[in-house]
Amino acid sequence: EAGVAQSPRYKIIEKRQSVAFWCNPISGHATLYWYQQILGQGPKLLIQFQNNGVVDDSQLPKDRFSAERLKGVDSTLKIQPAKLEDSAVYLCASSLGRSATNEKLFFGSGTQLSVL
Amino acid sequence: GENVEQHPSTLSVQEGDSAVIKCTYSDSASNYFPWYKQELGKRPQLIIDIRSNVGEKKDQRIAVTLNKTAKHFSLHITETQPEDSAVYFCAASWYTGNQFYFGTGTSLTVIP
Repeated sequence: EAGVAQSPRYKIIEKRQSVAFWCNPISGHATLYWYQQILGQGPKLLIQFQNNGVVDDSQLPKDRFSAERLKGVDSTLKIQPAKLEDSAVYLCASSLGRSATNEKLFFGSGTQLSVL
Repeated sequence: GENVEQHPSTLSVQEGDSAVIKCTYSDSASNYFPWYKQELGKRPQLIIDIRSNVGEKKDQRIAVTLNKTAKHFSLHITETQPEDSAVYFCAASWYTGNQFYFGTGTSLTVIP
């Protein structure tokens, strides 16, 4: 089966610029996650979608980060304006999204962002 | 929310020896515990998982144990090989909302 697709693979920008990341989850997966992984740390959840609705965005810095999942499939994550501390790998993940069961999480290859 | 702690942060073993990584969690409602392996520059890959109704699970050289009372779970790798070198992350989740909380990772180096 095809995996979670993400683009771009790498992005270098200057602080205060804006950037956008794209994710296409595994076909049929209703739940989509965006994680931020800073070097040497575990993935930190930024936002979780169930279809096109937001389940959890409590750790999303909403003054500069935004995300959407139109039509409940693809998703984009945007940072505007970027700060130096946003340098990290941004991982998209998806799961089937059935309720009342634990489900496996599948990750994309990530976008490595460097803010200079 | 859930808090997952992982130890050690780095681990070096000789090829053929065993490696053990331990995680603790805070929320007794957590009932699913996956382990991910992340090689340099690659995506995290699920290697084994365990649910709270099971105390131990094995898959060839990899095993995971769970102690619900103490709220900790461990990854055991036997007969380690150089290709086991990677960063390993544990996570805890409960089915309501299917949210995952990750540990800080363990960098495992297997010395040939």
